[in-house]
Amino acid sequence: ETGVTQTPRHLVMGMTNKKSLKCEQHLGHNAMYWYKQSAKKPLELMFVYNFKEQTENNSVPSRFSPECPNSSHLFLHLHTLQPEDSALYLCASSQDGGNQPQHFGDGTRLSIL
Amino acid sequence: SQQGEEDPQALSIQEGENATMNCSYKTSINNLQWYRQNSGRGLVHLILIRSNEREKHSGRLRVTLDTSKKSSSLLITASRAADTASYFCATAALNDYKLSFGAGTTVTVRA
Repeated sequence: ETGVTQTPRHLVMGMTNKKSLKCEQHLGHNAMYWYKQSAKKPLELMFVYNFKEQTENNSVPSRFSPECPNSSHLFLHLHTLQPEDSALYLCASSQDGGNQPQHFGDGTRLSIL
Repeated sequence: SQQGEEDPQALSIQEGENATMNCSYKTSINNLQWYRQNSGRGLVHLILIRSNEREKHSGRLRVTLDTSKKSSSLLITASRAADTASYFCATAALNDYKLSFGAGTTVTVRA
């Protein structure tokens, strides 16, 4: 148990669907992150939230929309995705946004039909 | 790019042997971190080494850092089947709060 819980673990959706990924951390951390992990490629940072404020949007297409209602919860809203968006989406948290060790959830495996 | 690059991409060893993997990076760093990822799971933080440190130990793990060569190594001693996983280095650049991850080294420990 890492203290970071992601749901669902697996998601299959069509390109016209709308779905959301959820992340919850029980560690009292102030920074939360979304990463995309594709096979044989480095982890891609998508979004960073520090004290509920978005501090990083790494040129992510608008079909991905993050939401951070409080320091413990992070969502990634998905709509009109493309087949190349199929990947493992990982959520992580850290005490603050300052180069500290990050704690990861087990990810959501997303498949776009 | 600040991303660390791990070498080799894949490593297969016999149980009980040592496993060594390397990470190279391009710009000055605040610290360097190593993570492990088991199949189907998220990344787990293993060890952090600061830019002013040269070596660090944690159980069967030994990490070295050579800032003049911009490289780090992770040594796993007396490997076990449970060490089978992918290992990633992540660099924290100076004046940046983000971590940059490499593509990882996949380690297989044969019984």
